Amino acid sequence: DSGVTQTPKHLITATGQRVTLRCSPRSGDLSVYWYQQSLDQGLQFLIQYYNGEERAKGNILERFSAQQFPDLHSELNLSSLELGDSALYFCASSEGTGGADTQYFGPGTRLTVL
Amino acid sequence: GQQVMQIPQYQHVQEGEDFTTYCNSSTTLSNIQWYKQRPGGHPVFLIQLVKSGEVKKQKRLTFQFGEAKKNSSLHITATQTTDVGTYFCAGPGNDMRFGAGTRLTVKP
Repeated sequence: DSGVTQTPKHLITATGQRVTLRCSPRSGDLSVYWYQQSLDQGLQFLIQYYNGEERAKGNILERFSAQQFPDLHSELNLSSLELGDSALYFCASSEGTGGADTQYFGPGTRLTVL
Repeated sequence: GQQVMQIPQYQHVQEGEDFTTYCNSSTTLSNIQWYKQRPGGHPVFLIQLVKSGEVKKQKRLTFQFGEAKKNSSLHITATQTTDVGTYFCAGPGNDMRFGAGTRLTVKP
């Protein structure tokens, strides 16, 4: 158990819909990262927040947005969903701003868009 | 951010054979990390290498960081079925760049 929690575990929805994925980092970690992993693919970095502020942005679509709240939990919002958005979405957390930090991954949310 | 290339993409071995995955960068890396993702699981941190030429061992796993700090390798001696999974290297940076991963399958 990494100490990072993600809800829900599974999500099935239809094209055009909007969903929110939630992540709670390890106690004491200030950074939260979001990754997308499509079937049998690598990890695509989406976005990082550090202590409530956006720190780094990766290949995140305009239909996707995220935020980190004062209690450090984070939410990833995916809107106007398309079939191609079906994937595993991982959240990870780390102590600092990145660089040499170890990232601790949550169990992931499996999103299926029908 | 820095990008790392990882090869091979897939490796299928007989149990007891050795396995190696390689990670390469076009730029010097301040550090490199290795993660393992079991089938159906999430990536789990294995190790971090920082020094030029560094070699670290974890039981049957040997991790190396190149002298120029532009490449790294993970070698598994005498693979076991428990080694099955995808091994990722990751370069440093706020937007940590993960390699594409090497998926290892082991035939008993």
